[in-house]
Amino acid sequence: NAGVMQNPRHLVRRRGQEARLRCSPMKGHSHVYWYRQLPEEGLKFMVYLQKENIIDESGMPKERFSAEFPKEGPSILRIQQVVRGDSAAYFCASSPGQGFGQPQHFGDGTRLSIL
Amino acid sequence: RKEVEQDPGPFNVPEGATVAFNCTYSNSASQSFFWYRQDCRKEPKLLMSVYSSGNEDGRFTAQLNRASQYISLLIRDSKLSDSATYLCVVNGGSGTYKYIFGTGTRLKVLA
Repeated sequence: NAGVMQNPRHLVRRRGQEARLRCSPMKGHSHVYWYRQLPEEGLKFMVYLQKENIIDESGMPKERFSAEFPKEGPSILRIQQVVRGDSAAYFCASSPGQGFGQPQHFGDGTRLSIL
Repeated sequence: RKEVEQDPGPFNVPEGATVAFNCTYSNSASQSFFWYRQDCRKEPKLLMSVYSSGNEDGRFTAQLNRASQYISLLIRDSKLSDSATYLCVVNGGSGTYKYIFGTGTRLKVLA
């Protein structure tokens, strides 16, 4: 399966814990995007990364949230000290390059539930 | 004004009907446009890109009107399997790769 791989599919955390969401882009794709979808709402852009670089993090909360895309391994979205409002579906997407008109391909998402 | 606006619906149509959705965007510098579909909170799946001259893919036709800043999607001969939420996607403007998603239009095709 050469698609975008996200894990875990479901993640349950208690308030105050840390959540780590992983995303492996499609083969040949070097651009990764993270989105959050709250219940009954649309997808909200969080961050755009290339290998070892954060290109645009304008949609990411300034506190508790961080993202990385190391040279080796998957992209990680990290949420520290989770709160109930962090409960959402987090989708990762990838694209092959920087050219305009490049569609993004999505993973299955991680459903994060905060108890 | 929202960056990308869609009528949330739902649109309930009988099988075989033709249905059209519109989407408006606020940033005149946007250059890339797409329609995605999303089923039952699953991952969005690319339906089609939207080109300036308009484009067709089987029963689906997409149009772009830059002057009025809207995009449309036409579905002909609706199938039950077309029931989904259709997301309008626009890039955030010149020089940015951030894509802005509309909240989606729900379509339900009835037998």
